[in-house]
Amino acid sequence: DTEVTQTPKHLVMGMTNKKSLKCEQHMGHRAMYWYKQKAKKPPELMFVYSYEKLSINESVPSRFSPECPNSSLLNLHLHALQPEDSALYLCASSQAYLQGNYGYTFGSGTRLTVV
Amino acid sequence: DQQVKQNSPSLSVQEGRISILNCDYTNSMFDYFLWYKKYPAEGPTFLISISSIKDKNEDGRFTVFLNKSAKHLSLHIVPSQPGDSAVYFCVGDVNEKLTFGTGTRLTIIP
Repeated sequence: DTEVTQTPKHLVMGMTNKKSLKCEQHMGHRAMYWYKQKAKKPPELMFVYSYEKLSINESVPSRFSPECPNSSLLNLHLHALQPEDSALYLCASSQAYLQGNYGYTFGSGTRLTVV
Repeated sequence: DQQVKQNSPSLSVQEGRISILNCDYTNSMFDYFLWYKKYPAEGPTFLISISSIKDKNEDGRFTVFLNKSAKHLSLHIVPSQPGDSAVYFCVGDVNEKLTFGTGTRLTIIP
C-alpha cells in the first residue's frame, strides 16, 4: 500500500457544525502533515506530526484541531469554521521527520465548503 | 513574501521535445528542493528532488538543475509525453517544512 487515503473527498458544513477530516497511511511513515490549498494558490503547511507528536503548528486558528491517535491515522477536527476556510485540505506523509529527504506522499485531498 | 517563485504560469511544448520548467527562490536556508506534479482532483505526486549541495540530479526522463549562486532551479523533461500534461510545483524544503511555488501548467501538444 503506497497511498495516503483521505476521507471524505467532499464536505459541506455550516458555520456552527463540528466535523472531522480523516487521513490514513499504511506505509510505516512516521511523519504526517496537513496542508491547506486555496483556489489558484499553492498548498500551505498547517501542522506537522512526528511520531504521533505535534511538531509544528503554523499559527493555525484554534477552530482547526489536529489529532494523531496512532502512527497510521491523522485527523483534523473542525469547529465554528468561517466561509474563508473553504479550501482543499491535503494530508501528506513521509518516512521520518528531520531525517533526510525521501519525498512526501500526498492524499487526494478533502474539498471543504463552509456555508 | 513568496519564497518560491514560478514566473511562468503556463507552458506548451510539442510531444517529443524538451520541457523546461523554471523556478527561483529567495530563502537560502532551503536544504532540499523538490518537484511535484499535480493532476486535477488528485494530490501532488513526487517527481524528483535535489539536495542543496548538488547541482544536478537525474531520474529517467527528469533532470533537475540547481544554480545556488543564482538561486534558480529548473526541471527538464525529455522527451515530453502527453501524460506529462499537469501542473508542476517547485517546492523548497527547510527542516521538512515544504514551501510550494505557485505552479506552472504544462501542456504537451500531440
